[in-house]
Amino acid sequence: QVQLQESGPGLVKPSETLSLTCTVSGGSVSSHSYYWSWVRQSGKGLEWIGYIYYSGSANYNPSLKSRVTISLDTSKSQFSLKLSSVTAADAAVYYCARQQWLAPYHFDFWGQGSLVTVSS
Amino acid sequence: DIQMTQSPSSLSASVGDRVTITCRASESISSYLSWFQQKPGKAPQLLIFDTSTLQSGVPSRFSGSKSETDFTLAISSLEPEDFAVYYCQQTYSTPWTFGQGTKVEIK
Repeated sequence: QVQLQESGPGLVKPSETLSLTCTVSGGSVSSHSYYWSWVRQSGKGLEWIGYIYYSGSANYNPSLKSRVTISLDTSKSQFSLKLSSVTAADAAVYYCARQQWLAPYHFDFWGQGSLVTVSS
Repeated sequence: DIQMTQSPSSLSASVGDRVTITCRASESISSYLSWFQQKPGKAPQLLIFDTSTLQSGVPSRFSGSKSETDFTLAISSLEPEDFAVYYCQQTYSTPWTFGQGTKVEIK
């Protein structure tokens, strides 16, 4: 069974870049069958950030698009999130998740989440 | 963006009760609606996708249905482990969006 695990700093200073990595085990990020997504959860609820496909193509939430980059490292079975110019509004639990590539595109496996605090 | 509106935001129920939660989409999303269960400190867990298909391992007391843009999650007989927060999500068009959640509490 596939497992996803987020890792990265739990504290980021305002205006700096948040960086998180998701390591996938029991499955391959090189598979054409899945999108690899990031979702965050704060007091405002759940928010999809974006996904990357095995080809390297990505799709981002327009609300965050100017600040987000998602990348893939197939050699390490990892995908990563970078969110620049963070503010207190970016403090959240960040989840990585596997999403089916075929309709209905559901999210079937999630990591346990990584809490990120934004503070100087 | 497609707005997903869940109701109620919370409910109190007893073990054995039948519970229904509704999610309304702001426009047509075909059948591309998922339901998740989330317990404190845990990630959301997929219960149902494509409106009514149970994810592997999910008990049959959970079911999903739709009427136009209104989607319903039903729990036929609440078990103690079902007390949690439930979210709907549309995957019809990006940005994928979630409902605000329904907390199911013990009466």
